Order: sequence, then C-alpha cells, then structure tokens
Amino acid sequence: DQQVKQNSPSLSVQEGRISILNCDYTNSMFDYFLWYKKYPAEGPTFLISISSIKDKNEDGRFTVFLNKSAKHLSLHIVPSQPGDSAVYFCAASAYNTDKLIFGTGTRLQVFP
Amino acid sequence: ETGVTQTPRHLVMGMTNKKSLKCEQHLGHNAMYWYKQSAKKPLELMFVYSLEERVENNSVPSRFSPECPNSSHLFLHLHTLQPEDSALYLCASSHARGSYEQYFGPGTRLTVT
Repeated sequence: DQQVKQNSPSLSVQEGRISILNCDYTNSMFDYFLWYKKYPAEGPTFLISISSIKDKNEDGRFTVFLNKSAKHLSLHIVPSQPGDSAVYFCAASAYNTDKLIFGTGTRLQVFP
Repeated sequence: ETGVTQTPRHLVMGMTNKKSLKCEQHLGHNAMYWYKQSAKKPLELMFVYSLEERVENNSVPSRFSPECPNSSHLFLHLHTLQPEDSALYLCASSHARGSYEQYFGPGTRLTVT
C-alpha cells in the first residue's frame, strides 16, 4: 500500500502561470515532508521541505503547503519557467526513522 | 568532482554474472543510502549506512550485497540477479543518519538479461 501518493502523473502549464503539484499521504506518523526535482539522466535534487509544525514554507518561487487534517501537501511554483520542466517527487518521513517514503512523481512541463 | 557520483551509469548483465555498482560522495557526509527505482514505482530504500555501519536493510534479497569501506564510498555487489531486478539504482548521502535532506547521485541504469 502506497503511503505517499501523487495522483497526477503529469501536468502541463504555460510559462508565467502557477504550477500546483499535489501529494497525499496516509501515515499520520509522518512529520517531515520534502519535494525533490529530477531532470532526465540526473538524480533527484532537494527542492524544499516542511515540518509538520508548520503549514507553509516559502523559498523564492517555490511554496509548500501542508494540510495535516487532510493529509495533503502541495507545491506551488509561481511564476513557472521552462527550466522548471522536470519530474517532481514528494517524500515523507516519520520522526526518528531513516526512511524517506517517496511518491511516484509528477512530470511537469512548462511551455512558452 | 563534487556531489555524489555513481559508476557505471549503465550496466547490462546476464543472470549468472557478478558485477558491482560504485558510489562516491564528496560532501563530507556520514550517511549513505541505496535506492531502487523501478518503472512507474516510487523510489524504494534498500540499505542505509551510517559511519560505515549498516543500520537498515529493507528486506532486500541476498543477491544484493552492500559494502561501505569508508564514509565516502558505497558499493552494491550484484550476483545471480533476475530480470525483474532491472531498474535505476540511486545512491544518496546525507549529513548524518536521520537527516532528511539527501543528496542523490545520477543513478546506474541496470538491465538484467
């Protein structure tokens, strides 16, 4: 059973608009959430994270929102740029474990 | 070189072969990880090493054998693999065990014929 779900395998957004990537989780013990970005032929790179004590974390064009009651988090990219085209993975971890549990990823394409 | 490097980038092997994947991190981290990514599946954690000691073995078949001779190097020794083991194998490192921000290498694309 997948504990971290990214139900949209792909998303296409026009340059300059907002990209919203979604992630749902089932394990209420998760207390830390991360987003990774992956370009072809490269490993995932860390993008932004959020602790369960917060509901929002912002870093430049990237903002992650956490809704604990809904067990849902989202990544907002605004404005979207063509260089943002990549696969985005959501990941979660529970306190005092070494494991990151990943979603299956969402492929974002930003077109001019 | 900087970051996390992996060699080879691509590997094709028969089911009776023995091969090894190599990972090296240049970040001064103390924890290293092996992940497997199969098509259309999430990344799955295989092994965790902290200060060269294996601290996690995520129910991985014995045909995969990790080795961590020092905190900068991590190997995955492969023998008698099955075609379903074909996948992208990713190495990662982090500052310490339990550090969630892991830095990944580019991966080795393994095909078992």
